[in-house]
Amino acid sequence: KQEVTQIPAALSVPEGENLVLNCSFTDSAIYNLQWFRQDPGKGLTSLLLIQSSQREQTSGRLNASLDKSSGRSTLYIAASQPGDSATYLCAVPTISSNTGKLIFGQGTTLQVKP
Amino acid sequence: DTAVSQTPKYLVTQMGNDKSIKCEQNLGHDTMYWYKQDSKKFLKIMFSYNNKELIINETVPNRFSPKSPDKAHLNLHINSLELGDSAVYFCASSQEPGGLGAEAFFGQGTRLTVV
Repeated sequence: KQEVTQIPAALSVPEGENLVLNCSFTDSAIYNLQWFRQDPGKGLTSLLLIQSSQREQTSGRLNASLDKSSGRSTLYIAASQPGDSATYLCAVPTISSNTGKLIFGQGTTLQVKP
Repeated sequence: DTAVSQTPKYLVTQMGNDKSIKCEQNLGHDTMYWYKQDSKKFLKIMFSYNNKELIINETVPNRFSPKSPDKAHLNLHINSLELGDSAVYFCASSQEPGGLGAEAFFGQGTRLTVV
């Protein structure tokens, strides 16, 4: 059974700092891994999707890496800004169901202080 | 244009009532989902529909009944609401081109409060 864990649960950093959010999964047989952002009281916004054949994916100041063999992904945020404050979730689809059902981690809540 | 839209955004109702949440996607996706986010912010799948056909029902009480009139819509009807049903419900969609690996898109969520 796939389990997804995110560490740390919460993170507070000063503006301008580079930071790394971690995501680990127990079953390395995944098709892809998706990173989402959730602002308080809002929906989920897809940030990056890494296919299982990729090692990393970049979008602006965000860089996500994937190491399937070790069951890990990281989300790197460069030069953090107060607007980056949100909860970041990673999720993987389950292969067994063949439907793309996502298994989510519990998220890392990031606060970037001005 | 909003890709995945849910209505209502907020829903406050009394125990025992029946309520519905509507979801529509304009992405042309074949697969739609309902997820529940509990008070600890943990997101868990409830249902999945592919082209109007139920694919997943994750041990959800039968008071919850999804209905898909067409592949662009997936509504969630809840009977006899209980206090424990209070949560945020998210609709999502993805295109599954013969397999997994497609990006999922989520609606803004419906915050249900049962009093």
